[in-house]
Amino acid sequence: GNSVTQMEGPVTLSEEAFLTINCTYTATGYPSLFWYVQYPGEGLQLLLKATKADDKGSNKGFEATYRKETTSFHLEKGSVQVSDSAVYFCALSVLQAAGNKLTFGGGTRVLVKP
Amino acid sequence: EPEVTQTPSHQVTQMGQEVILRCVPISNHLYFYWYRQILGQKVEFLVSFYNNEISEKSEIFDDQFSVERPDGSNFTLKIRSTKLEDSAMYFCASRLLAGSNNEQFFGPGTRLTVL
Repeated sequence: GNSVTQMEGPVTLSEEAFLTINCTYTATGYPSLFWYVQYPGEGLQLLLKATKADDKGSNKGFEATYRKETTSFHLEKGSVQVSDSAVYFCALSVLQAAGNKLTFGGGTRVLVKP
Repeated sequence: EPEVTQTPSHQVTQMGQEVILRCVPISNHLYFYWYRQILGQKVEFLVSFYNNEISEKSEIFDDQFSVERPDGSNFTLKIRSTKLEDSAMYFCASRLLAGSNNEQFFGPGTRLTVL
């Protein structure tokens, strides 16, 4: 089956620090990969995505590269802000007739301190 | 910007009672989903719905659960006889078209507490 493993949090950083959240996956078929973010009290928002090997997704200073050889999709940001404090979820979806459900990792809570 | 809405934001119920969680997907979307997140655990897929029928469901989605799109705008999740372990955050999502390129848009969630 499909599964996503991401590093456990919480991750506590100072403002302007470098952030990496590791994500690896197993999938039957060729997955698309996603990072979702959940700010306090809100729902899940798509942060970025990549649909094929070597694609790089980017948004709001965050980046992740689809690495098929290592089955990974690590999230990075060079200089975090307090407003980046949230829970980050790595997820995958495999194209299939039945509707493309998302399979999520466990989430990583990130706390950025001023 | 169009968004998925969910009501109520928090539902408290007694064990054994029926609950209905409501969602209004984005109006021109065709695919609808329910996910849940037990506190401290991962977000889990429950069910997907397309063309007025369930297209896929997980092992969690047993006979106690049902979904319905009663009026062309609402998408509901019913739990017939709630158990303590149903306490979770329930997220509704919708998607315009099929294909992994197409984003699922999530609502803010309903927190269900079963006492």
